[in-house]
Amino acid sequence: AQSVTQLGSHVSVSEGALVLLRCNYSSSVPPYLFWYVQYPNQGLQLLLKYTSAATLVKGINGFEAEFKKSETSFHLTKPSAHMSDAAEYFCAVSFSSSNTGKLIFGQGTTLQVKP
Amino acid sequence: DSGVTQTPKHLITATGQRVTLRCSPRSGDLSVYWYQQSLDQGLQFLIQYYNGEERAKGNILERFSAQQFPDLHSELNLSSLELGDSALYFCASSVVGGPGELFFGEGSRLTVL
Repeated sequence: AQSVTQLGSHVSVSEGALVLLRCNYSSSVPPYLFWYVQYPNQGLQLLLKYTSAATLVKGINGFEAEFKKSETSFHLTKPSAHMSDAAEYFCAVSFSSSNTGKLIFGQGTTLQVKP
Repeated sequence: DSGVTQTPKHLITATGQRVTLRCSPRSGDLSVYWYQQSLDQGLQFLIQYYNGEERAKGNILERFSAQQFPDLHSELNLSSLELGDSALYFCASSVVGGPGELFFGEGSRLTVL
């Protein structure tokens, strides 16, 4: 069955440090992959998406992710964390061969940024 | 602002009651999705409508139902409410029925007492 696993429900970094949030997927067909961010009491906002073009995807707020088919991974990175990056991050997958756009979400990773 | 509007933002009700959550998609979007977010289950896909027709169904209880109207807004009806139905319910929309970016509303927080 198709699924998404986010390693680490809680990640803590210092301001200015590298952010790395891990996501692995399971899929028998080519996936579309997404990272969404949720700030407190808000909806989900798209950070970036992979839809079978370039494997290194750049998103908003300095985030980027690399699709690695051999590792079935789509990890999210940012070179230097800001306090404003503190939020919950969700990795999600849909399937290019499907007639539905429903997303399957990982369990989420809460990012804490320490001053 | 994603352009997806959900009402009400907060709702408190009692067990056994019925509520209706409403969603207006972004202008031009034909697909509407409903998700339930809870601490123990995370973000669970409930149902998708595309241009008025049901397109996909997820883990939606029989006590829950949804529809999409000709003007493309959607309603999620929750009946015989239980304590465990307390959650944040999100609506999302997209232009197409197939894979692509979803735009999420800010959610309706349901509390069942």
